[in-house]
Amino acid sequence: DAMVIQNPRYQVTQFGKPVTLSCSQTLNHNVMYWYQQKSSQAPKLLFHYYDKDFNNEADTPDNFQSRRPNTSFCFLDIRSPGLGDAAMYLCATSRDVPGQFFGPGTRLTVL
Amino acid sequence: AQTVTQSQPEMSVQEAETVTLSCTYDTSESDYYLFWYKQPPSRQMILVIRQEAYKQQNATENRFSVNFQKAAKSFSLKISDSQLGDAAMYFCAYRSVNTNAGKSTFGDGTTLTVKP
Repeated sequence: DAMVIQNPRYQVTQFGKPVTLSCSQTLNHNVMYWYQQKSSQAPKLLFHYYDKDFNNEADTPDNFQSRRPNTSFCFLDIRSPGLGDAAMYLCATSRDVPGQFFGPGTRLTVL
Repeated sequence: AQTVTQSQPEMSVQEAETVTLSCTYDTSESDYYLFWYKQPPSRQMILVIRQEAYKQQNATENRFSVNFQKAAKSFSLKISDSQLGDAAMYFCAYRSVNTNAGKSTFGDGTTLTVKP
């Protein structure tokens, strides 16, 4: 089945220790998104790729970076995680038909 | 900028009954998309239903239907014959047609509890 896959599902890191979250998709969608979602809140868009074009949201901290080496994969790098970065990180994709397909998320814990 | 408001942080419904979740939005655009997403506890978010603003007919997907009132900028979700599996957080979202990337603005969500 076509899907959006996120690895790992759970990630524990230490304060200030870089961490990378990954997302892959088999849907061949040209747009990929990274969201941060804190408990019982709406997802907050961090950035998205439209094909190879990177689009950063104005209020996304510099601590968050992203890479998209090819259509199928996208990575979220958190350079120096703080306690406030503990959250669920959602990857989503879309193409021509409006509406996003979400992955299961990676829950990040910062100790 | 567009805003999406879900005025009901929590709702509950008896199994097999009908419930309506409210959503209002603010925009100056005439053409756009509206969505309802469902996020069950500890499970991934899925698209429930989509409405194109240029369509007058309300979208329907099985037990899920919307009441789209364009002039009032209202987009409510009706769930008929509620099932235990409908328990989830529901997000209303808006997307402009003017963005190729499909960025959506989300409401704060409504947590739906289904009582057996």
